[in-house]
Amino acid sequence: GAGVSQTPSNKVTEKGKYVELRCDPISGHTALYWYRQSLGQGPEFLIYFQGTGAADDSGLPNDRFFAVRPEGSVSTLKIQRTERGDSAMYLCASSPQGRETQYFGPGTRLLVL
Amino acid sequence: AQSVTQLDSQVPVFEEAPVELRCNYSSSVSVYLFWYVQYPNQGLQLLLKYLSGSTLVESINGFEAEFNKSQTSFHLRKPSVHISDTAEYFCAVTLLRGSQGNLIFGKGTKLSVKP
Repeated sequence: GAGVSQTPSNKVTEKGKYVELRCDPISGHTALYWYRQSLGQGPEFLIYFQGTGAADDSGLPNDRFFAVRPEGSVSTLKIQRTERGDSAMYLCASSPQGRETQYFGPGTRLLVL
Repeated sequence: AQSVTQLDSQVPVFEEAPVELRCNYSSSVSVYLFWYVQYPNQGLQLLLKYLSGSTLVESINGFEAEFNKSQTSFHLRKPSVHISDTAEYFCAVTLLRGSQGNLIFGKGTKLSVKP
């Protein structure tokens, strides 16, 4: 079956612009996670959704970052007033329940010039 | 705070040699443990996991890892590597209490298999 998909695969933007990154999880998976992976580092947790609600957003670095999942399926990570330090690979993962196995998408590579 | 340490950032080995990628974790609560692999230009794939039961877990492509609670380790081993095993390997944990199941990752180990 179809895995987790993320669009776009690459995004180049200018400092100060607004970007949206999309994640389409595996059908039926209620848990959805966003992670950020900087060069030479492991992925770091950003936010977790169970259904439509953000159950844990403790990993969001500041209030420029926001994510939604309005219908409990597709999720969008939104970054306002982008900064060069936001450049990273943004990963999305989904899971049937959350804790046991997460399935990752290919990621969106964001470059802020 | 919980953390995962992968002591080796790069491991070069020759084909058919054995390899061990080390992983240690720090946590005040019980954890589930995972190894993920990232092949060049691909996303993260689950390689193997320990949830409960036998402390030795195996993957379909010959890797194994052993959970050692006293040493808080989950080292990954393969007795004979192939060129196709060249990838970056990430160790990760998730807490059984006090979190919503998000993964805490190490910094990764790049395995480079040479002919």
